[in-house]
Amino acid sequence: GQQVMQIPQYQHVQEGEDFTTYCNSSTTLSNIQWYKQRPGGHPVFLIQLVKSGEVKKQKRLTFQFGEAKKNSSLHITATQTTDVGTYFCAGRDSNYQLIWGAGTKLIIKP
Amino acid sequence: DSGVTQTPKHLITATGQRVTLRCSPRSGDLSVYWYQQSLDQGLQFLIQYYNGEERAKGNILERFSAQQFPDLHSELNLSSLELGDSALYFCASSVFREGTGELFFGEGSRLTVL
Repeated sequence: GQQVMQIPQYQHVQEGEDFTTYCNSSTTLSNIQWYKQRPGGHPVFLIQLVKSGEVKKQKRLTFQFGEAKKNSSLHITATQTTDVGTYFCAGRDSNYQLIWGAGTKLIIKP
Repeated sequence: DSGVTQTPKHLITATGQRVTLRCSPRSGDLSVYWYQQSLDQGLQFLIQYYNGEERAKGNILERFSAQQFPDLHSELNLSSLELGDSALYFCASSVFREGTGELFFGEGSRLTVL
């Protein structure tokens, strides 16, 4: 079936370093959403991207949707301890079903 | 607070048993989704209901079933439980049947099968 590949599975960073997670689909997506799940918590919606080449920013977070609408990325500048958690992308396929990436766990090194 | 309510929060049971997880969606949301998340794993989509009708099915085992009632709350029934069914079960709701709506997740029901 259709899959959205998300990498890396884990990323360890020092506080203040940047973090990026990538999602790739084999087919064109109608839109893509990003969610954050804090440790012990539930996924919380961050943003939705719809247009080809779209870039959106939320403070230190930058979200991009590729020109072909097959890939997306989330970049966090100067990570803080509050950024810890797992970031999931979820793309909507042509049938408007959400296909979830496996998530990238952001770990801040002590 | 997402507005989605799940009960129970925690459940411990034995292999072979049957449990029911309950979800009340946000007021006004017609779609309910069920997801399974095993320890430190991703979200496995189980099933979606929209306004009482099954809309989409994911990797839901035959031992599992769900329904959405006229008041829009949903129940996920898990039977003949196995150790591997131990997981966090999330319910999420959305206004839309499909399309662009974001999902609002409940806090989850943690099932432990001993």
